[in-house]
Amino acid sequence: GENVEQHPSTLSVQEGDSAVIKCTYSDSASNYFPWYKQELGKRPQLIIDIRSNVGEKKDQRIAVTLNKTAKHFSLHITETQPEDSAVYFCAVNSGGSNYKLTFGKGTLLTVNP
Amino acid sequence: DTGVSQDPRHKITKRGQNVTFRCDPISEHNRLYWYRQTLGQGPEFLTYFQNEAQLEKSRLLSDRFSAERPKGSFSTLEIQRTEQGDSAMYLCASSLGSSTEAFFGQGTRLTVV
Repeated sequence: GENVEQHPSTLSVQEGDSAVIKCTYSDSASNYFPWYKQELGKRPQLIIDIRSNVGEKKDQRIAVTLNKTAKHFSLHITETQPEDSAVYFCAVNSGGSNYKLTFGKGTLLTVNP
Repeated sequence: DTGVSQDPRHKITKRGQNVTFRCDPISEHNRLYWYRQTLGQGPEFLTYFQNEAQLEKSRLLSDRFSAERPKGSFSTLEIQRTEQGDSAMYLCASSLGSSTEAFFGQGTRLTVV
């Protein structure tokens, strides 16, 4: 089955700095790569996603890059703010499935004021 | 809030008891998913419905687990003869058509004592 590795498991940055979280996956058939943000005690919320036909996608301070050859994708957050503090999960659609997601173990991001 | 809703939010039960959780998806969404999340991990796929049909069950789902979506709207997840290892957050998500963007509910936190 699909294997998703996410690094780092914790990340602490100063407000205004950038944060980068990386994920690797194993199944070359995967073609959908969402990122979810989960604040303590709250539901996971989709913040950005990318499909395999593009290499980069940006939405204000958030960007995702995809390298299909190397089977890795990354989340980039610029100008971090304290409210960005949360657990971030990458996910991959298993085997190119259009419904089943395999998640990474998450990255706890702490933005220090 | 017109998002995915789950009930109850918290459930404490004694080992060996049966429990049932309910999920109400976003009204026009025909796809419904159950995931399980334990502390420090990402959500793990349990099962998937398209309308009322249960199309996939993870091997994580033992015979003690059963899910239904009788009219293609709300869904229930029942766990029989609960064990301490069943303690987790049970997340429901829904999506529309072939879109893989899944919207999550806030989850039901199960504690088996």
